[in-house]
Amino acid sequence: GENVEQHPSTLSVQEGDSAVIKCTYSDSASNYFPWYKQELGKGPQLIIDIRSNVGEKKDQRIAVTLNKTAKHFSLHITETQPEDSAVYFCAATASGGSYIPTFGRGTSLIVHP
Amino acid sequence: GAVVSQHPSWVICKSGTSVKIECRSLDFQATTMFWYRQFPKQSLMLMATSNEGSKATYEQGVEKDKFLINHASLTLSTLTVTSAHPEDSSFYICSAEKSGVNTEAFFGQGTRLTVV
Repeated sequence: GENVEQHPSTLSVQEGDSAVIKCTYSDSASNYFPWYKQELGKGPQLIIDIRSNVGEKKDQRIAVTLNKTAKHFSLHITETQPEDSAVYFCAATASGGSYIPTFGRGTSLIVHP
Repeated sequence: GAVVSQHPSWVICKSGTSVKIECRSLDFQATTMFWYRQFPKQSLMLMATSNEGSKATYEQGVEKDKFLINHASLTLSTLTVTSAHPEDSSFYICSAEKSGVNTEAFFGQGTRLTVV
């Protein structure tokens, strides 16, 4: 089955700095890679995703890159703000069947004002 | 957008009682919904896949008689924790699969269950 590794487990940055979270996956059949933001006591919210037919996707301050050959993908947050503080999960899944993502273990991002 | 509503957001119950958690897709139909359990500072653990009109598929190690899942309509799945014990205390999260050109899943806001 799929195995998703996520690093770092904790990331502390100053407001305005950039934050990068990296994930690797094992199953070459995976072709959909969503990123979720989970605030304390709430469910995960999809913030950005990327499919295997593209290498990069950007949405304002958030971007995701995908390297299929190396089987890794990364989340980039620029100009971080205190409200970006949350736990971020990467996931990998193969579309075509039921959407059952394999999640990384999460990264706790702390943005200091 | 796609909205998934989970209710209640938190519940406290006594040991031995049962608790029902609802998961509704508000603006789309979901033939498939998922139930997760999340322990503090850990990732989401898939408990079961709920299919409308059929029996749920449980992950290995999840007791189907303990965690009853019903998916009676295309917009509602329920998880009932039967004869709850303190070790069942956890954060339970559902997600609903939205089919289309690109299938996506949207998560509910989670339910914090505390069994005393």
